[in-house]
Amino acid sequence: GAVVSQHPSWVICKSGTSVKIECRSLDFQATTMFWYRQFPKQSLMLMATSNEGSKATYEQGVEKDKFLINHASLTLSTLTVTSAHPEDSSFYICSARVRREFGELFFGEGSRLTVL
Amino acid sequence: AQSVSQHNHHVILSEAASLELGCNYSYGGTVNLFWYVQYPGQHLQLLLKYFSGDPLVKGIKGFEAEFIKSKFSFNLRKPSVQWSDTAEYFCAVNAGGYNKLIFGAGTRLAVHP
Repeated sequence: GAVVSQHPSWVICKSGTSVKIECRSLDFQATTMFWYRQFPKQSLMLMATSNEGSKATYEQGVEKDKFLINHASLTLSTLTVTSAHPEDSSFYICSARVRREFGELFFGEGSRLTVL
Repeated sequence: AQSVSQHNHHVILSEAASLELGCNYSYGGTVNLFWYVQYPGQHLQLLLKYFSGDPLVKGIKGFEAEFIKSKFSFNLRKPSVQWSDTAEYFCAVNAGGYNKLIFGAGTRLAVHP
């Protein structure tokens, strides 16, 4: 199957700093990538849909100024958590849709963010 | 709005027992249905999917799921579980041509030897 890679896999930062997480599709071009957030022992919550070359579409309740998403190329999307606070600590997962496979998503390994 | 409901949050079984995990969705039109699995410390992996055709879908590792349109259900089954099936299982729906996948809350399965 298609491979999606995230970096870093875990990061610890101080409150007030910004953290960037990268999501790459390694062997295919992804016109659409999705960013999810997973709280401990809970399901994945869709944060935003990232479309190459255009602005991301955020889900209701997700602050677009806090979670900046950039999809500059067909293989890379980035999520920047700005002015991070302890409540932003979570597991962030990206996924990408292979154009020929409608609906099916391939997931990255996830990035665990801990804000001190 | 679309929603996905997984009835069992935590299931404990002994090896060789049969498994059935429930999944119901709310959407009246055409749906694509998925079951994903997340093993401890690993990323989500696709178990199986239903787009159209035979409503009984076979996936990897001996899993299967049946799409029952009249019941808006897509239950996951395995005749005989193994310890290595210990994981969290997520049902997901992509409906109405929407570009996103909606996940259920997940079911945590623990299989004891």
